[in-house]
Amino acid sequence: NAGVTQTPKFRVLKTGQSMTLLCAQDMNHEYMYWYRQDPGMGLRLIHYSVGEGTTAKGEVPDGYNVSRLKKQNFLLGLESAAPSQTSVYFCASSPAAGMYGYTFGSGTRLTVV
Amino acid sequence: SQQGEEDPQALSIQEGENATMNCSYKTSINNLQWYRQNSGRGLVHLILIRSNEREKHSGRLRVTLDTSKKSSSLLITASRAADTASYFCATDGDYGQNFVFGPGTRLSVLP
Repeated sequence: NAGVTQTPKFRVLKTGQSMTLLCAQDMNHEYMYWYRQDPGMGLRLIHYSVGEGTTAKGEVPDGYNVSRLKKQNFLLGLESAAPSQTSVYFCASSPAAGMYGYTFGSGTRLTVV
Repeated sequence: SQQGEEDPQALSIQEGENATMNCSYKTSINNLQWYRQNSGRGLVHLILIRSNEREKHSGRLRVTLDTSKKSSSLLITASRAADTASYFCATDGDYGQNFVFGPGTRLSVLP
């Protein structure tokens, strides 16, 4: 009963470095989401996926890319990290749109120096 | 984008008291959800309420929805120290495929 697993849990990057955050879910959910959480701003949607092989932009997609090659995995990439991308990143999944609660991972705390 | 806004931003109460948090939103919704987040953890889904529902209960939680006022409230009865957390409301987003989260209410329950 792992639910949604995010790796890594913590990471420090230097400006300009790249990295990939991995999200894995074992609930056979169709929908997956990447949010970032910053103090006082709630969660903001970066990208989302409505099924294997699909991705779409959310509210704050610039500087990020995603891939959903397998239904259970949703990867978030930072090609050239910037200090403005310092944040806590959460992955979530849902069986379908709108009518179901999300299952969240425990988050990745990323610091870009 | 449409967003719920929780009120108050922070709330401190004594153990055993009731805690009420409010959420206001801007445009019509189909569904509204409430989540809890303990410090350093991910969000946990509490309740989903549909636009044609006025009230839902789950244990010590009661959620109401007033679509005419575009507002919802979350009531936690007989609060416990373990209820200390941030609480977020989330409404159907512009993209139709996701929920948009407000900035949250920080609840502190003092023993």
